[in-house]
Amino acid sequence: DAKTTQPPSMDCAEGRAANLPCNHSTISGNEYVYWYRQIHSQGPQYIIHGLKNNETNEMASLIITEDRKSSTLILPHATLRDTAVYYCIVRVKTSYDKVIFGPGTSLSVIP
Amino acid sequence: EAGVVQSPRYKIIEKKQPVAFWCNPISGHNTLYWYLQNLGQGPELLIRYENEEAVDDSQLPKDRFSAERLKGVDSTLKIQPAELGDSAVYLCASSLVGTGVAGTDTQYFGPGTRLTVL
Repeated sequence: DAKTTQPPSMDCAEGRAANLPCNHSTISGNEYVYWYRQIHSQGPQYIIHGLKNNETNEMASLIITEDRKSSTLILPHATLRDTAVYYCIVRVKTSYDKVIFGPGTSLSVIP
Repeated sequence: EAGVVQSPRYKIIEKKQPVAFWCNPISGHNTLYWYLQNLGQGPELLIRYENEEAVDDSQLPKDRFSAERLKGVDSTLKIQPAELGDSAVYLCASSLVGTGVAGTDTQYFGPGTRLTVL
């Protein structure tokens, strides 16, 4: 079973921030939080990952709570091309630990 | 830098026929993964290679599925014979796994092969 829970779907208005939550209450101290997204008919695309500090890159920001039991992926200015399924995954970095994808959150960006 | 390449992108076959999928990982990546993705679900790992060695094939249905990664680069996934329930998208991913290397183990996925078994 996936180690994370996410809402099955969300809507976001174009140009607004999209905030995608993820619960990972059983996360271990050496497990990172990874986010991927999958646009229709494409393979999953890496977005961002973090351990305990907030992270930002050109695609998104990752906010991890202090107790690390949940996180939020933020797309600051959602566009129609951000419509995709977003997967939150926890795993040990630099290891051969199996990556387990859950069903993810289907984000629809609405004009 | 070229991404993970997969072919074919689409394949339609009749049940009981054999089928093969090919994957070329990102240059220099030592680890290669094959995933199966059913409609509306997340990818599920079938097999993972470290160089040419299959280090995790516990989810691979070995009665009909086989895979190989000769020379530790390209990989082929085969189904023989295919069944109706094998209709899905087959994804290949690669990563560079190793201690002490920044940014390692991020998996990069190919576009997948959509298999339809009639």
